[in-house]
Amino acid sequence: DTGVSQNPRHKITKRGQNVTFRCDPISEHNRLYWYRQTLGQGPEFLTYFQNEAQLEKSRLLSDRFSAERPKGSFSTLEIQRTEQGDSAMYLCASSPRGRYNEQFFGPGTRLTVL
Amino acid sequence: AQSVTQLDSQVPVFEEAPVELRCNYSSSVSVYLFWYVQYPNQGLQLLLKYLSGSTLVKGINGFEAEFNKSQTSFHLRKPSVHISDTAEYFCAVLNTGGFKTIFGAGTRLFVKA
Repeated sequence: DTGVSQNPRHKITKRGQNVTFRCDPISEHNRLYWYRQTLGQGPEFLTYFQNEAQLEKSRLLSDRFSAERPKGSFSTLEIQRTEQGDSAMYLCASSPRGRYNEQFFGPGTRLTVL
Repeated sequence: AQSVTQLDSQVPVFEEAPVELRCNYSSSVSVYLFWYVQYPNQGLQLLLKYLSGSTLVKGINGFEAEFNKSQTSFHLRKPSVHISDTAEYFCAVLNTGGFKTIFGAGTRLFVKA
């Protein structure tokens, strides 16, 4: 059990650029979640997958955001045409089958949009 | 819908003193309750959780919390804090059978020597 990993850990980009983050969940965890945490706030739910199916998306997830989990393992979160308001920590978590009350969090990707 | 209120944004305390971080929640359905800790530029680490059963829950690093259903509270306590406990603490709820964890805004615990 190596834990949830996220890459990159930090990303600095200019407004208008596209960025993509990757999350590798704990092996055999079938649920994967994305959260966004802005400075001074708690994490806010963005979306989650069960296996490869995206089952729920928050209204926070605008049309510029897209998440995928093509083979039910790792997931990517892409932000198109980044805006300064997208600056935040993006956290990924995963849960094992049958124990969905346990979410194991990764270290996060900190995005700074200049 | 659920919501979580952490009543203190910052709690300064001297080393070896006791501490209580307060959390109230609102929900129309049964929930699971959690406390997470976050160190600077890191992800969240689970301190403890209440799923069912005994209302006093013990977690890692000497922390414990008590679930009070009538007061809809889940306060976190530690009898004697260390400098290394300085961090941000988040209270959270999850609807039983749900998928979306709702977090409070966090309480910054600052332990002074």
